[in-house]
Amino acid sequence: QKEVEQDPGPLSVPEGAIVSLNCTYSNSAFQYFMWYRQYSRKGPELLMYTYSSGNKEDGRFTAQVDKSSKYISLFIRDSQPSDSATYLCAMRESNYQLIWGAGTKLIIKP
Amino acid sequence: DSGVTQTPKHLITATGQRVTLRCSPRSGDLSVYWYQQSLDQGLQFLIQYYNGEERAKGNILERFSAQQFPDLHSELNLSSLELGDSALYFCASSPGTGKETQYFGPGTRLLVL
Repeated sequence: QKEVEQDPGPLSVPEGAIVSLNCTYSNSAFQYFMWYRQYSRKGPELLMYTYSSGNKEDGRFTAQVDKSSKYISLFIRDSQPSDSATYLCAMRESNYQLIWGAGTKLIIKP
Repeated sequence: DSGVTQTPKHLITATGQRVTLRCSPRSGDLSVYWYQQSLDQGLQFLIQYYNGEERAKGNILERFSAQQFPDLHSELNLSSLELGDSALYFCASSPGTGKETQYFGPGTRLLVL
């Protein structure tokens, strides 16, 4: 079993829909949780960074961490075709290396 | 633009050959990370250097090696290349030892024929 599980998709939704992307993990010591967005043939770029549990909102994006369930989510409101990309979750313990999910490919249909 | 640069953008070579990938971190960043991304494996951490010293090792093959130079740029050397080494190779950098956000370069696409 991988430490971080993420459905590779693809996930295809119509423009304007609310998108929910998720990762589950097995290591209860993870404290820092990140979502990266990667456009085709580009390097990943950081979208959201969360410490411990709770929600964090940035514009149309909301990151949610549920440590009791070992589950993190990224919500995208009013999705746009420009949101079409691969979304990777990453997480780590206090002083350890990032552990990455496999990435979910998201397609927003106009 | 993340500020991390990688050269070359594309590389086509033959099995058994050796190649060198180069990375320049963001100004002021001391850590450099190397990742391999292939279609069926996702993003795999290879190795991290901090201020010239190896800091952490991931799933790096013995045929691969890396170093970070005094000017903080880094090189990843891939030798005895195999077809399965075809992938995107990303470099990322961060200010310190690894607790911070990593900023990724545009990647080098390697094709081994």
